[in-house]
Amino acid sequence: EDQVTQSPEALRLQEGESSSLNCSYTVSVLRGLFWYRQDPGKGPEFLFTLYSAGEEKEKERLKATLTKKESFLHITAPKPEDSATYLCAVQASSNTGKLIFGQGTTLQVKP
Amino acid sequence: EAQVTQNPRYLITVTGKKLTVTCSQNMNHEYMSWYRQDPGLGLRQIYYSMNVEVTDKGDVPEGYKVSRKEKRNFPLILESPSPNQTSLYFCASSPEGLPGELFFGEGSRLTVL
Repeated sequence: EDQVTQSPEALRLQEGESSSLNCSYTVSVLRGLFWYRQDPGKGPEFLFTLYSAGEEKEKERLKATLTKKESFLHITAPKPEDSATYLCAVQASSNTGKLIFGQGTTLQVKP
Repeated sequence: EAQVTQNPRYLITVTGKKLTVTCSQNMNHEYMSWYRQDPGLGLRQIYYSMNVEVTDKGDVPEGYKVSRKEKRNFPLILESPSPNQTSLYFCASSPEGLPGELFFGEGSRLTVL
């Protein structure tokens, strides 16, 4: 069964304290892995797509990486405005329309 | 402005009273999908549509219906709502070939008493 697990569930950082969020997945064949940011009371906002192991994408203080079993979202020198819930999702080749989301990591960055 | 619009944003209803949550997108996207978000369970896919007249079940389709008669609209129908359908619902759309790069609506919070 296709599955996505994110860890930790919650993370508190001081401003400037770099860290990483983890997304582990189990699918027969990975078609794509996606990262989203969700602010309270809002719909998720798309951040990155990763297609194959070794691929990396960057946007401001965020960098997403992908291996054959997991993805990491690295946050470098975070600021309070980076506080949000970060979601990852996978699309398996067995069914191109289905997306499976992890439960998310809630990040709080304190000034 | 590119957007996905859901209505209503908030609704309190009673068990068994049929309701429809509308979803409309103005980006000419082929793919549309409905999700529900519950504490501790994350986002779960209800139904999706790869294009007009093509719909398929997600992971939690029981108790829901959808239709895709036009490209821009993808309504979610609860024929006989029950309390376990109390949730936050999101509609989303994406361009052809990229179902994972979703634009989400603002959400519809539904309470079934």
